[in-house]
Amino acid sequence: SAVISQKPSRDICQRGTSLTIQCQVDSQVTMMFWYRQQPGQSLTLIATANQGSEATYESGFVIDKFPISRPNLTFSTLTVSNMSPEDSSIYLCSAPPGPAANEQFFGPGTRLTVL
Amino acid sequence: RKEVEQDPGPFNVPEGATVAFNCTYSNSASQSFFWYRQDCRKEPKLLMSVYSSGNEDGRFTAQLNRASQYISLLIRDSKLSDSATYLCVVKTYNTDKLIFGTGTRLQVFP
Repeated sequence: SAVISQKPSRDICQRGTSLTIQCQVDSQVTMMFWYRQQPGQSLTLIATANQGSEATYESGFVIDKFPISRPNLTFSTLTVSNMSPEDSSIYLCSAPPGPAANEQFFGPGTRLTVL
Repeated sequence: RKEVEQDPGPFNVPEGATVAFNCTYSNSASQSFFWYRQDCRKEPKLLMSVYSSGNEDGRFTAQLNRASQYISLLIRDSKLSDSATYLCVVKTYNTDKLIFGTGTRLQVFP
């Protein structure tokens, strides 16, 4: 299984500011994924981060709001830009444990509160 | 209609009980199926993959009915530690995206 870490684990931010979340995987993976879990809800995919190319965003999510970097095969960042209270959520990254794996393992999440 | 639908519960059961969760999915091109478990304020963790032939892991049994687009999870001899939210997850053929159901909350009481 892949071991995935995220930083920060939690943050409280003022509206209008931006926060960058880091995700580190202990092995090289082709794809990494970013999800959002709003209070009391299930997970929603924000985007797929591929190394060497632009991220692929799901409907309802745009690059200007959630820019993603993927500089190498073990690391990705998600920035939540110009935050509003509606962005208060848990943000999780994930990756498959291997190139042929269908399942994904998740990082511990970043709990974001926007005041 | 949501792509993956689950009864949100909560299911409140005594220790030792048998409980079953159901899940339906709308995309017939779905290829891979999973049950994840999520504890309060934690990330989802893979409980088991679900295969067409059905599979069992200790007290947990998962079944898949492709014709009805239906997935189930059976937990026998429930333990207090089984209390969590169980997420039905589907992956469509030829994509890498996981689609999550809303989750079914289980509370096992003494």
